[in-house]
Amino acid sequence: DVKVTQSSRYLVKRTGEKVFLECVQDMDHENMFWYRQDPGLGLRLIYFSYDVKMKEKGDIPEGYSVSREKKERFSLILESASTNQTSMYLCASSLQRDTDTQYFGPGTRLTVL
Amino acid sequence: AQSVAQPEDQVNVAEGNPLTVKCTYSVSGNPYLFWYVQYPNRGLQFLLKYITGDNLVKGSYGFEAEFNKSQTSFHLKKPSALVSDSALYFCAVPGNTPLVFGKGTRLSVIA
Repeated sequence: DVKVTQSSRYLVKRTGEKVFLECVQDMDHENMFWYRQDPGLGLRLIYFSYDVKMKEKGDIPEGYSVSREKKERFSLILESASTNQTSMYLCASSLQRDTDTQYFGPGTRLTVL
Repeated sequence: AQSVAQPEDQVNVAEGNPLTVKCTYSVSGNPYLFWYVQYPNRGLQFLLKYITGDNLVKGSYGFEAEFNKSQTSFHLKKPSALVSDSALYFCAVPGNTPLVFGKGTRLSVIA
């Protein structure tokens, strides 16, 4: 079974803090994704990566950055957290691009005070 | 641009009754269509996908989806709902970004 793990299930941070969300997958998948999920808005893609050290902007990259130094790990960084970044963050991975099934981690619920 | 729409925010159904969760799509060319489910406090789980071929796709947990090209729909169905099917359901399609998701439909199955 594909396993995607995220470093924290719940996280509380203060405005202005730098926040790291870590995601690790164990199936040697090429592609990794970061989404945020908000009620009534569904899932919105923040960033994705098709290869190590490669990143692409999604629909809502502002206020976020990512790092992919190793194939299995994809980190989402909030340089200076703001209250409007309070959300559920979901990481996913897939073997092939675009038409392949994505496998999701359990999510991190981030609250920024 | 490729997109999907889920016209219902909430669907309520009695346990044992058939359920339908609706999804319509707008794509150019042949569509790839997905359904995912999210149980409370969990990530999304893959249910099924349509690539080509048979218009009736069978997936996990007894779910199936019917691809209808003339109506541009890909509705999720199950013949007999269970209380444990209560969850948030998303349809999705590859688009300008890897997957474009609908806003989700919350299904409540009432005992």
